[in-house]
Amino acid sequence: QVQLQESGPGLVKPSETLSLTCTVSGGSISSYYWSWIRQPPGKGLEWIGYIYYSGSTNYNPSLKSRVTISVDTSKNQFSLKLSSVTAADTAVYYCARHLATRMAPNAGYFDYWGQGTLVTVSS
Amino acid sequence: EIVLTQSPATLSLSPGERATLSCRASQSVSSYLAWYQQKPGQAPRLLIYDASNRATGIPARFSGSGSGTDFTLTISSLEPEDFAVYYCQQRRRYTFGQGTKLEIK
Repeated sequence: QVQLQESGPGLVKPSETLSLTCTVSGGSISSYYWSWIRQPPGKGLEWIGYIYYSGSTNYNPSLKSRVTISVDTSKNQFSLKLSSVTAADTAVYYCARHLATRMAPNAGYFDYWGQGTLVTVSS
Repeated sequence: EIVLTQSPATLSLSPGERATLSCRASQSVSSYLAWYQQKPGQAPRLLIYDASNRATGIPARFSGSGSGTDFTLTISSLEPEDFAVYYCQQRRRYTFGQGTKLEIK
């Protein structure tokens, strides 16, 4: 059974960089697409960006200037960096795996999720 | 940008009743729409993808239908564990609807 676990600081100061890592266990990071998704407290879900195990990326246009997602296949991990954070970036951050079907390695949906980690931006 | 609008915002029903949740897209997404269930303090769970395909392990009481701009998630007979928030999601830019809260009446 694939499991994902987010890790990183729970508190980040305004203007600094938020850094999170997702560790994948029970399966290989290879041959899949992986995303970061966030959810402000009491609100809906926002896709941040994805990375393929090969390193290719795609980001939400609204966050693109501040986001970097990277992968380390040797550690079965991928990571998120979000720069110049403000209080509006306070959210639960989830990592997730993209559903793969026989027709497409990226079906565009998320079938495995981490439990989420709350990151608060505050001085 | 494709906007997904879910209705109603809150749906109050009793166990055993049938639930019908709606998701409308601002432009056609063909059949490329998914539904998720989220319980408090938990990550979302994929229920339905490509409008009508149940994800692995999802009970048969959950079904999805629709294409183009109008989609429906139906829960045929509500179980106590089905009361949660439901989100739709389209795959082009991975945008989500704002959610429908299914609460116990």
